Amino acid sequence: AQKITQTQPGMFVQEKEAVTLDCTYDTSDQSYGLFWYKQPSSGEMIFLIYQGSYDEQNATEGRYSLNFQKARKSANLVISASQLGDSAMYFCAMREPSMEYGNKLVFGAGTILRVKS
Amino acid sequence: NAGVTQTPKFQVLKTGQSMTLQCAQDMNHEYMSWYRQDPGMGLRLIHYSVGAGITDQGEVPNGYNVSRSTTEDFPLRLLSAAPSQTSVYFCASSYSGTGVGYTFGSGTRLTVV
Repeated sequence: AQKITQTQPGMFVQEKEAVTLDCTYDTSDQSYGLFWYKQPSSGEMIFLIYQGSYDEQNATEGRYSLNFQKARKSANLVISASQLGDSAMYFCAMREPSMEYGNKLVFGAGTILRVKS
Repeated sequence: NAGVTQTPKFQVLKTGQSMTLQCAQDMNHEYMSWYRQDPGMGLRLIHYSVGAGITDQGEVPNGYNVSRSTTEDFPLRLLSAAPSQTSVYFCASSYSGTGVGYTFGSGTRLTVV
């Protein structure tokens, strides 16, 4: 079963506007972590933001914020004031809640974001 | 620079050849893992290690071996390359605690012909 679902294969946004990238997850555990990574065309994986399942506040990191809705099992990434350099592939990931096996990450299929000038 | 170093960056293999993808980190991370990235499928876990001497299989382990003799190094071996192993491979490391982001290597683009 798909544990991380990113329903938007591709998105366009106008420069300086905000954009939301969707992510839903599936887990029966109470303790888990959610991550967003950015992959520019150069190929590296860049960690953006983290949300723990027990965190009461939505995570924020500069222009990135995570809209965490636990009951709906969604963890959408919001990028404010988009810049041309935000054009990239974005991955949502969930840490498998198994301390026995360490921090396994399960990834979604990704969303390609294109920022238009 | 501190981080995860992967070599080589690019590799072309013939079907049936073997090779080792190298991964080294200098952050004293306990946890290391290998992922492969294929179009439309995100990243899938191949093998992982929670410490020196301890390895386990991930989601897609067939055709790959790993070992972890030191904290720093986690090589991935392709035993007999197949075209289905054409992919981009990422090594990643982290501390074993919760809420910690992973550090990824720059990736290895492997083509099997």
